[in-house]
Amino acid sequence: NAGVTQTPKFRILKIGQSMTLQCTQDMNHNYMYWYRQDPGMGLKLIYYSVGAGITDKGEVPNGYNVSRSTTEDFPLRLELAAPSQTSVYFCASSFDRGANTEAFFGQGTRLTVV
Amino acid sequence: GESVGLHLPTLSVQEGDNSIINCAYSNSASDYFIWYKQESGKGPQFIIDIRSNMDKRQGQRVTVLLNKTVKHLSLQIAATQPGDSAVYFCAENISSDKLIFGTGTRLQVFP
Repeated sequence: NAGVTQTPKFRILKIGQSMTLQCTQDMNHNYMYWYRQDPGMGLKLIYYSVGAGITDKGEVPNGYNVSRSTTEDFPLRLELAAPSQTSVYFCASSFDRGANTEAFFGQGTRLTVV
Repeated sequence: GESVGLHLPTLSVQEGDNSIINCAYSNSASDYFIWYKQESGKGPQFIIDIRSNMDKRQGQRVTVLLNKTVKHLSLQIAATQPGDSAVYFCAENISSDKLIFGTGTRLQVFP
């Protein structure tokens, strides 16, 4: 059981380039989340999804887009990379929301924009 | 891996002592709270959770206390071990679907 898998693990982008961070989970979870974590800071919610075909903005959605065409996959798209998007990105999933439904996290994608 | 939490508040304890990590949350409508542990270079891992209709919940070596009056959450770790060294985050469930994280506290355990 792989859990939550993120690819790539590391990436360096030039300003203005675009890329997609991949996230897939094999636990049949309904809820999926994207967070970013800047050095010395907590996790900030970018986007989340409560099921296939449904996405919604989190705390810091600007500069990002997501899609959820299947239950398993929740890719995060950066269209015009900016230095402010240098961060570690974490994808997470949970079966439901609320009590007794812990979120499982991937190992993270470290992105540097230069 | 990357060392997160370079500028986070730090709690230093001696091995075997008890640790208390505190968290203030912002939304009085939050109905569910979770503590996560994050080791360097890894994603957060679930430790323990508590519903808003509870004041206390105990797990293995960990206890979470919730004070809704002052919007305060704490994580108590008994007999702290070197393997407990990590950054600890509280998170609150807001508006049914959003899971929002606090700033975090770095726990350092000395022998």
